[in-house]
Amino acid sequence: QSALTQPASVSGSPGESITISCTGTSSDVGPYNLVSWYQHHPGKAPKLIIYEVAKWPSGVSTRFSGSKSGNTASLTIFGLQPEDEADYYCSSYAGSKTFRVFGTGTTVTVL
Amino acid sequence: EVNLLESGGDLVQPGGSLRVSCAASGFTFSLHAMTWVRQAPGKGLEWVSVISGRGDNTDYADSVKGRFAISRDNSKNMVYLQMTSLTADDTAIYYCGKDLYGSGNFGPRSTFDFWGQGTLVSVSS
Repeated sequence: QSALTQPASVSGSPGESITISCTGTSSDVGPYNLVSWYQHHPGKAPKLIIYEVAKWPSGVSTRFSGSKSGNTASLTIFGLQPEDEADYYCSSYAGSKTFRVFGTGTTVTVL
Repeated sequence: EVNLLESGGDLVQPGGSLRVSCAASGFTFSLHAMTWVRQAPGKGLEWVSVISGRGDNTDYADSVKGRFAISRDNSKNMVYLQMTSLTADDTAIYYCGKDLYGSGNFGPRSTFDFWGQGTLVSVSS
C-alpha cells in the first residue's frame, strides 16, 4: 500500500487561506469518507484536526476545514496564523488489506 | 484529561529486540482500541499496529508483520509493542494513539484522537 500523495510544502502569509491536497486511489480515499488530518509540530504529539473528511474533534478551531472529491481529499486553513506552522498529514482507511495509510506529509510555512 | 506516555525507546543492535510501552490515563482504557505509528528520521508517519479494547484482535503493517507484536494490559492501562529482528529501517520515533470511538474493537471508522509524544528507537551497530 503506497502512501497518499501530499505536496511537500505550502506557504502563506498571516490571514491568508491555504489548501493542502491528499491524493489517493480508488482503494483508499475514493470509496470511503474516512479521511483524517493531523497537525504535527516536531517533537510533540500529533494532533487530530479533522476526521471523517470534514468533522471537527472537540476543541479544534473551525479555521481548519476538510473536503473530498473523488480520490483527493483537501484541508483548508482559513486565516493562517503563525502557530499553524507545522507538518500536516492526511490518513485514510485503505480497505481490508491495510488498516490505515498516511500521506507523505506537508510542511506549512507562515511567511 | 487524556494522557498517553510512551517509554522504553533505546539504542539496539541490528537483529535485536526491544519492547516499548505506552501508559494511558484519563479515559476508560478497556473500551478503546489503541494503535502504534512511527516516524523515521526525515520521513512521514507510518501506521504500525492496532489492538482492540479487549486485546483479542490485532493487525499489523506488512513491514512489521511477523516481527512485531502488540499487546495490552487493561488492569494497568498499558499497551506494548514487542519488536524483534530489528533493522535500521525500524529506527524511528514510536507514538501510541487512542481511538476516538469507545466501541471496544477497531474498524474502518477508527480515528485516533490523542497521541503521546513518542519514544525513540534507534537500531544501529
